[in-house]
Amino acid sequence: QSALTQPRSVSGSPGQSVTISCTGTSSDVGGYNYVSWYQQHPGKAPKLMIYDVSKRPSGVPDRFSGSKSGNTASLTISGLQAEDEADYYCCSYAGSYVVFGGGTKLTVL
Amino acid sequence: QVQLQESGPGLVKPSGTLSLTCAVSGGSISSSNWWSWIRQPPGKGLEWIGEIYHSGSTNYNPSLKSRVTISVDKSKNQFSLKLSSVTAADTAVYYCARISAITVTTIDPWGQGTLVTVSS
Repeated sequence: QSALTQPRSVSGSPGQSVTISCTGTSSDVGGYNYVSWYQQHPGKAPKLMIYDVSKRPSGVPDRFSGSKSGNTASLTISGLQAEDEADYYCCSYAGSYVVFGGGTKLTVL
Repeated sequence: QVQLQESGPGLVKPSGTLSLTCAVSGGSISSSNWWSWIRQPPGKGLEWIGEIYHSGSTNYNPSLKSRVTISVDKSKNQFSLKLSSVTAADTAVYYCARISAITVTTIDPWGQGTLVTVSS
């Protein structure tokens, strides 16, 4: 199985919106509504930001939103803040196992 | 709330077996969740290794399946990872984590991670 495809990097200025894509296949992203997103700051464990494609755990700002169309899921961060600068990983169920994306580095300019 | 803590040797020799344990506190390992191992080589992305349910049912990453064994010890509220025939490519930070049995990619919480280096 292959990792899901994410852009290596994205950037935006404070207050702007950015979208990170996550492309898989009909065997993972496209086949199930089980896509989640994780934020990871340097030296820290990943933190759950979105689950079940578009649901936010309690405590995650509503600036973070998720969606899916076909084999591609997306994470949108609106009203960018300096503390959003981090690596972001998507994750999908693939039928008895789990696959991650390669990760996207978000830079807040 | 539930907390997880990894423990085990930080250095393993090539061709040896990597062994780690994850202690679960603040909740029961017999709850309706899967318990997972995930790794991250230095400077690289996340890789799911596998998971176990308290019944002993397991799922493994197909690319690692021949070398991985995950087990559970309900009496100690912990689960373990064994990875055999290791090489330098297995050097990584290893995380243990809880995965919801309902929303099957909801991975939360995570342990703090432990670095395992494969070197002679």
